[in-house]
Amino acid sequence: DAGITQSPRHKVTETGTPVTLRCHQTENHRYMYWYRQDPGHGLRLIHYSYGVKDTDKGEVSDGYSVSRSKTEDFLLTLESATSSQTSVYFCAIRDRVAGELFFGEGSRLTVL
Amino acid sequence: AQSVTQLGSHVSVSEGALVLLRCNYSSSVPPYLFWYVQYPNQGLQLLLKYTSAATLVKGINGFEAEFKKSETSFHLTKPSAHMSDAAEYFCAVSDLRQGGSEKLVFGKGTKLTVNP
Repeated sequence: DAGITQSPRHKVTETGTPVTLRCHQTENHRYMYWYRQDPGHGLRLIHYSYGVKDTDKGEVSDGYSVSRSKTEDFLLTLESATSSQTSVYFCAIRDRVAGELFFGEGSRLTVL
Repeated sequence: AQSVTQLGSHVSVSEGALVLLRCNYSSSVPPYLFWYVQYPNQGLQLLLKYTSAATLVKGINGFEAEFKKSETSFHLTKPSAHMSDAAEYFCAVSDLRQGGSEKLVFGKGTKLTVNP
């Protein structure tokens, strides 16, 4: 299995609170991604990174920010969580363009 | 921007029957295309990928897909369905950007049910 871990795996929080999800890899891969998965929407890209301090927005980036200060960690932050951000969040990594994308096991976030 | 359309959010087949899951993409340049599978309560794993080599791509678990540029399609097939194939399947296209950035855009998924 690819060395990718997400934390926390489950979180329940209240509207308006900040939340940070962490993705950690031990593969030294260049590319890292955050997706959210919702019924009927498939996987939607939130943000991605193509190197340390190099990040870009995906299709559903509003309300989210990311940081990548070192190769192994990619943090996703919800500055002020809303109920619409209740979802399952997946981190993924790959080593090169068109390379295989390896997924973490997901983080289930519930915003009450 | 690239996009992917998966026709049919749910597909049901009998065990032993042909599996056909449809995927169409939009792209102005030759794309990289992928099929991923997700079993319940798990992350996604790669089934197969097309990267401009052979147009017929073979993957794991007996699946294959054919790239048809004229139809902008990349449909996934398996000659004989097995109960263990029940899962959700996602088609994805690679969107290359200047500066070395690259993102993978997924379709909405097709949930495959296999009936005994």
